[in-house]
Amino acid sequence: KAGVTQTPRYLIKTRGQQVTLSCSPISGHRSVSWYQQTPGQGLQFLFEYFSETQRNKGNFPGRFSGRQFSNSRSEMNVSTLELGDSALYLCASSRLAGVGNNEQFFGPGTRLTVL
Amino acid sequence: AQTVTQSQPEMSVQEAETVTLSCTYDTSESDYYLFWYKQPPSRQMILVIRQEAYKQQNATENRFSVNFQKAAKSFSLKISDSQLGDAAMYFCAYRGKYGNKLVFGAGTILRVKS
Repeated sequence: KAGVTQTPRYLIKTRGQQVTLSCSPISGHRSVSWYQQTPGQGLQFLFEYFSETQRNKGNFPGRFSGRQFSNSRSEMNVSTLELGDSALYLCASSRLAGVGNNEQFFGPGTRLTVL
Repeated sequence: AQTVTQSQPEMSVQEAETVTLSCTYDTSESDYYLFWYKQPPSRQMILVIRQEAYKQQNATENRFSVNFQKAAKSFSLKISDSQLGDAAMYFCAYRGKYGNKLVFGAGTILRVKS
């Protein structure tokens, strides 16, 4: 079974631009969660999607948005990029949502650099 | 809100020896899950071990075991017979009974000396 894939793996943008990151979960998984990892703030939860619905959202400004498609693939978008958005963005997929004992599998991440 | 604290930014261990990484957490929930994740230089997050709060027995996975003290809200990871491949950043994480949101600690860098 193929693992979680994230594209692109590396991205360089300039301040003010927008960016879209993609995450394809493991086949059969319907839940996708996104995390931002920075040296200063560590790993922070962005949002969680299940069956095309956002179930939970972290404490991020409205510039961060996401969606999930009917095939469970998810995208996250960051508009009006700031230098502080430079980070590793990780997505994790799982079969279910709303059930605690539910293993999540992480993708390799997208490294975003904002200049 | 739940918080997870890892007070050891960095730890070192000699190959073949044992090391313990510390983690404390704060929650008002009674049922939850705790995890240790490993993140090697490749940045791929790998689940090391999982503990259900309602289980009193400490989880064990080969050379990895935990010491779960629910009353003290403590969840430490013991790595026995350390190997060079264990060198990585280790994150302690909390997840509530419902939902998939993980709350991570700041991480502990583990260095393994040969």
